[in-house]
Amino acid sequence: DAKTTQPPSMDCAEGRAANLPCNHSTISGNEYVYWYRQIHSQGPQYIIHGLKNNETNEMASLIITEDRKSSTLILPHATLRDTAVYYCIVKDAGGTSYGKLTFGQGTILTVHP
Amino acid sequence: NAGVTQTPKFQVLKTGQSMTLQCAQDMNHEYMSWYRQDPGMGLRLIHYSVGAGITDQGEVPNGYNVSRSTTEDFPLRLLSAAPSQTSVYFCASSQQGSTDTQYFGPGTRLTVL
Repeated sequence: DAKTTQPPSMDCAEGRAANLPCNHSTISGNEYVYWYRQIHSQGPQYIIHGLKNNETNEMASLIITEDRKSSTLILPHATLRDTAVYYCIVKDAGGTSYGKLTFGQGTILTVHP
Repeated sequence: NAGVTQTPKFQVLKTGQSMTLQCAQDMNHEYMSWYRQDPGMGLRLIHYSVGAGITDQGEVPNGYNVSRSTTEDFPLRLLSAAPSQTSVYFCASSQQGSTDTQYFGPGTRLTVL
């Protein structure tokens, strides 16, 4: 699986958009970009994933660059409850990597009042 | 649905003791995994299973055994606990398909003295 690079920490004001970047310059054509988050002491929570196109769900939006070498997770209106560690993971969605995630250090997002 | 459940929530062991961490899911997921998370680090895969009767090693399998006799349950056994196994353990499950979205349990915090 391709490796990812994320900033170690970011701050965001409550109510503003939080934009979390992720670099994955070695991503291959069949690999997806997944985002999970981990709120303090809890199990990780799936947020969103995508292959090529931008994706949006009730939690967030995922913007993937055209060359797929980087992506941005957007939380449109951050709240204090969004304070967490955010993990960007690149992996093949099937085959031998199914059911396995490789976590990096992630980005600690702190949302402040 | 209860999702993924783990017991116990907390456990303290002495070096050399053995114990089993329990994990169960009620979503009829084929894939189940065990991760450990050490302080300030991301999760690392210990063992995983692609279905009942089938298990395989992850990144850090030494000192742990698993079995998968039913779809619902995936216990993790520590054979002879060591202080290096002090960690938070998370179980996860996922449904075979295109998304490979993993659902995590709340974790078991284990301390080995």
